[in-house]
Amino acid sequence: QVQLVESGGGVVQPGRSLRLSCAASGLSINNYGMHWIRQAPGKGLEWVAAIWYDGSNQYYVDSVKGRFTISRDNSENMLFLQMNNLRVEDSAVYFCAKGWNDVGSWGQGTLVTVSS
Amino acid sequence: DVVMTQSPLSLPVSLGQPASISCRSSQSLVSSDGNTYLNWFQQRPGQSPRRLIYQVSKRESGVPDRFSGSGSGTDFTLKISRVEAEDAGLYYCMQATHWPPWTFGQGTKVEIK
Repeated sequence: QVQLVESGGGVVQPGRSLRLSCAASGLSINNYGMHWIRQAPGKGLEWVAAIWYDGSNQYYVDSVKGRFTISRDNSENMLFLQMNNLRVEDSAVYFCAKGWNDVGSWGQGTLVTVSS
Repeated sequence: DVVMTQSPLSLPVSLGQPASISCRSSQSLVSSDGNTYLNWFQQRPGQSPRRLIYQVSKRESGVPDRFSGSGSGTDFTLKISRVEAEDAGLYYCMQATHWPPWTFGQGTKVEIK
């Protein structure tokens, strides 16, 4: 059974950086596109970033372009999100999810709080 | 960007009664490969989203058959034939045909009366 486990969240001041990780087990992710999706407290779901199965292409929601970088290490079965110049409005639970068109398995999420 | 509009946003339902959630997209979700990439997710309180339905009507393994998806083009529906207590939570539709971005509906809160 596929399991995705996110880590790296925490409390950080505006303008600072965080790096999120997503560890996959139960299957190899190297055949799958992967996503980061976030949910602000009490709000709905917002897609943040996606990366092709081989890492050759990345896509971002406009609000994070130039600040966030999605990457992967297929040899380690890992997905990452480097978040720079964080803003208060980036505060959310961040989920990783597997699949490109058929977005399927999700992790349990990691909480990022951006506050002074 | 494709806008996904769900209705209703709040749905009180009695146990054993049916429930229906509508999801409309601002453009057709039929992909160039002929598939329609419309997913439905359930999010119980305090949990991460769980996929119920993919490609409009394909039920995820392990999902009870009281959940069904239907629709085409721009108009989609998630139905629960007989609501059980464990079905309380938020339900989201998501389109994955026209990307980026992948886009979600606002969410529908199903509550048990």
